[in-house]
Amino acid sequence: KNQVEQSPQSLIILEGKNCTLQCNYTVSPFSNLRWYKQDTGRGPVSLTIMTFSENTKSNGRYTATLDADTKQSSLHITASQLSDSASYICVVTGTSGGSYIPTFGRGTSLIVHP
Amino acid sequence: DTEVTQTPKHLVMGMTNKKSLKCEQHMGHRAMYWYKQKAKKPPELMFVYSYEKLSINESVPSRFSPECPNSSLLNLHLHALQPEDSALYLCASSQVRENTEAFFGQGTRLTVV
Repeated sequence: KNQVEQSPQSLIILEGKNCTLQCNYTVSPFSNLRWYKQDTGRGPVSLTIMTFSENTKSNGRYTATLDADTKQSSLHITASQLSDSASYICVVTGTSGGSYIPTFGRGTSLIVHP
Repeated sequence: DTEVTQTPKHLVMGMTNKKSLKCEQHMGHRAMYWYKQKAKKPPELMFVYSYEKLSINESVPSRFSPECPNSSLLNLHLHALQPEDSALYLCASSQVRENTEAFFGQGTRLTVV
C-alpha cells in the first residue's frame, strides 16, 4: 500500500531560526514528490515539485531534497518568518493504469513564534 | 490566470437539502479533482476527471455526485448528506501528464446540520 509518513507531527520554532521537515514514502512506481503549504481553512499552495532525477530544488527560503534510493525527502526552511506558520504537506504521486495518483502525508504543523 | 475558483466559500445545509459546489479554472487543465479534508487531516481524494470523463471514484457514497460539464467547470452535487460529511471540500486541477503541478482552490467549508 502506498504510504507517505511525515515527521515531526508538529514543530514550534522562533522567528529567524531554520528548520527541516521530513517525508518518507513507499509509493511505487514513483512519478514525483511535491511539498505544499496549507494555511488553516485554505487550499494547499505548491512550494516545490521534484522528479526521480532531481535531488534538490529551491523556492526562495524553501529548499527541498529528494533521495529516491532511500525514498526520503526533506523541506528546509531558512530564516523563518511568522507567516511560515502553517501545515506543510508532502504529496507523492505514483502511477496506476495510466493515471497519476497522489498520496498525501498527514502534514507537519509548523508554528513560528516571535 | 493560475487560479482555481471555488464557490461558495461557506455552505450550511440540512440533511434533506440538495446543494452544489462549483469549481472553475481557465488554465487549460484537463484533469480536475475533488478532495475532502477534515480538520487536522490531509486531503482525501474523492474523484478525478480526465478530459471531462470520470476516471477515478474513490468509493465515495452516492450522496456525492460529481459532474464535469466542460473542460473549465467541475461540480459536486450534494444530497441527503450526514453531519459527518461536514468538512473542507477542495477542488484542484492539473495538466494530464506526468510531473505536473496541481493547483488547488481555496475550498468550500461545508457544514451539515
